[in-house]
Amino acid sequence: QKEVEQDPGPLSVPEGAIVSLNCTYSNSAFQYFMWYRQYSRKGPELLMYTYSSGNKEDGRFTAQVDKSSKYISLFIRDSQPSDSATYLCAMSGGTGGFKTIFGAGTRLFVKA
Amino acid sequence: NAGVTQTPKFRILKIGQSMTLQCTQDMNHNYMYWYRQDPGMGLKLIYYSVGAGITDKGEVPNGYNVSRSTTEDFPLRLELAAPSQTSVYFCASSIATLGTEAFFGQGTRLTVV
Repeated sequence: QKEVEQDPGPLSVPEGAIVSLNCTYSNSAFQYFMWYRQYSRKGPELLMYTYSSGNKEDGRFTAQVDKSSKYISLFIRDSQPSDSATYLCAMSGGTGGFKTIFGAGTRLFVKA
Repeated sequence: NAGVTQTPKFRILKIGQSMTLQCTQDMNHNYMYWYRQDPGMGLKLIYYSVGAGITDKGEVPNGYNVSRSTTEDFPLRLELAAPSQTSVYFCASSIATLGTEAFFGQGTRLTVV
């Protein structure tokens, strides 16, 4: 079993839709949860960061962490064509040490 | 502020050749990393460094070597290139480790034929 599972997509939605991106993980000791956005032929950039459980909101983006289910989500409201990218979940901490484990990434297409 | 700069952006190597991927950062970060990204596989850590003169292996170090003589530079050396090393390579740096943002370079697309 992979430490982090992420549906690679692709996920195609119309402009204005609410997008839900998800990851599951197996290491219950993870404490730091991140979402990176990667545009085509670019390096990943940090989008959202959450420590432990709970929600965090930043504009149109909301990150949720459910440690009891080992499940994290990223919601994008009012999606825009400029949101078309690959979204990678990442996590670190606990018995995994300081190393960050990345999901495979979900490709998102937002159609105008 | 340039951030993390990688060169070259693209390279084609023949089997058995060697090359060095360059990485430099201007943020005075102690921590630097090399990842490879294969389709559908996410980012795999090759090597990392916690400061000048200190390096250690990540998940997939075989076939690679690194050095860290300065805070700014963290080159990745490929010896005896193999088709399995065809990938996109990303260098990254961070100010600390747990839960801190990693800043990535633009990547090097390497094809071994």
